[in-house]
Amino acid sequence: GAGVSQSPSNKVTEKGKDVELRCDPISGHTALYWYRQRLGQGLEFLIYFQGNSAPDKSGLPSDRFSAERTGESVSTLTIQRTQQEDSAVYLCASSPFWQSSYNEQFFGPGTRLTVL
Amino acid sequence: KNEVEQSPQNLTAQEGEFITINCSYSVGISALHWLQQHPGGGIVSLFMLSSGKKKHGRLIATINIQEKHSSLHITASHPRDSAVYICAVREGSNYKLTFGKGTLLTVNP
Repeated sequence: GAGVSQSPSNKVTEKGKDVELRCDPISGHTALYWYRQRLGQGLEFLIYFQGNSAPDKSGLPSDRFSAERTGESVSTLTIQRTQQEDSAVYLCASSPFWQSSYNEQFFGPGTRLTVL
Repeated sequence: KNEVEQSPQNLTAQEGEFITINCSYSVGISALHWLQQHPGGGIVSLFMLSSGKKKHGRLIATINIQEKHSSLHITASHPRDSAVYICAVREGSNYKLTFGKGTLLTVNP
């Protein structure tokens, strides 16, 4: 079956512009996660969705970042007034449910964002 | 907060060599993941384990809960194994993963 997909694969934008990054999780997966990977650094947790609610937004680095999810389907991560430090690979992952401690996450290919 | 340390940061090997990548963490966990990231590519989950050992093809992952340590082994390494290998841990029923910084493996023919 299809895995997690993300679009666009690459995005180059000018400082100050808004960007939207999209994630399509595996069908039927209840949980969805957004991560960020800046150059030379490990992955950072941004936000987690259980269904279409986001019980934990603590990883969002600033109020310029927001995310929403439609039902148990597509999610959009929006970055407003982009800054150069936002340049990173943004990864999305999904898992069947979150309540099990042994839940495996399936990752998408990522969106590489470059802010000039 | 769990601190996840991987070693080595960089590893270069010749084709056919046995590879070991290590991961240690500071706080008790419920599960540990090994992930593979190819240059320019996405992340693939290799293993998720909470105890003992798992094997998949030429890859073997072990975990010692008491010592808070896990190892990823690659037998008969091949240039296509060249990638960044990332260790990530989950605490209790917490959905969050805490990631190591990764180990860059280069296997030369």
